[in-house]
Amino acid sequence: SQTIHQWPATLVQPVGSPLSLECTVEGTSNPNLYWYRQAAGRGLQLLFYSVGIGQISSEVPQNLSASRPQDRQFILSSKKLLLSDSGFYLCAWCAQGKNTEAFFGQGTRLTVV
Amino acid sequence: GEDVEQSLFLSVREGDSSVINCTYTDSSSTYLYWYKQEPGAGLQLLTYIFSNMDMKQDQRLTVLLNKKDKHLSLRIADTQTGDSAIYFCAERRGYGGATNKLIFGTGTLLAVQP
Repeated sequence: SQTIHQWPATLVQPVGSPLSLECTVEGTSNPNLYWYRQAAGRGLQLLFYSVGIGQISSEVPQNLSASRPQDRQFILSSKKLLLSDSGFYLCAWCAQGKNTEAFFGQGTRLTVV
Repeated sequence: GEDVEQSLFLSVREGDSSVINCTYTDSSSTYLYWYKQEPGAGLQLLTYIFSNMDMKQDQRLTVLLNKKDKHLSLRIADTQTGDSAIYFCAERRGYGGATNKLIFGTGTLLAVQP
């Protein structure tokens, strides 16, 4: 069966510090991968999605970047965090080329102080 | 635009039916989804409907799709306190390749009163 792991669950970081959130998927190959941000407990904003290794599409201009160094690994990064980067970050995957549900990780609560 | 719109809040009494509405924007969307998010947790898929269907029923859940008006609704029969959560509709745009995006609505907070 497929599983998705996202870590850490919570993170408190000072302004100006770097960020690295990791998401890995098991039990499937060549998934579509997504990073979402949920601000203030409402609304899911698509940040990045990837249809393959090294292929990243950015949905909104921001202080964050994403990378996919391996087929089932998706990383969200920042060189210098801003206060406005605080939020709940969710990683998700779904199979390519056909309808399946999107499976979500448990999320990372990021607080920038 | 890209927005998927939902009402922000819905309050119902336990045992009543809940109807959560969603308006999406892309008429070419292939699949439409309803997700549930409990406090501090990730999203859980409740049900989905293919764009060539009008209705889908799954136990207490009924999904209605009006493709002409780009309107999607989720009806929860016999709503229970455990149904209290945020409900998101989502549309899947494109089919495979780089256009395969999942766009979520703003979320509806369902509060069930005992």
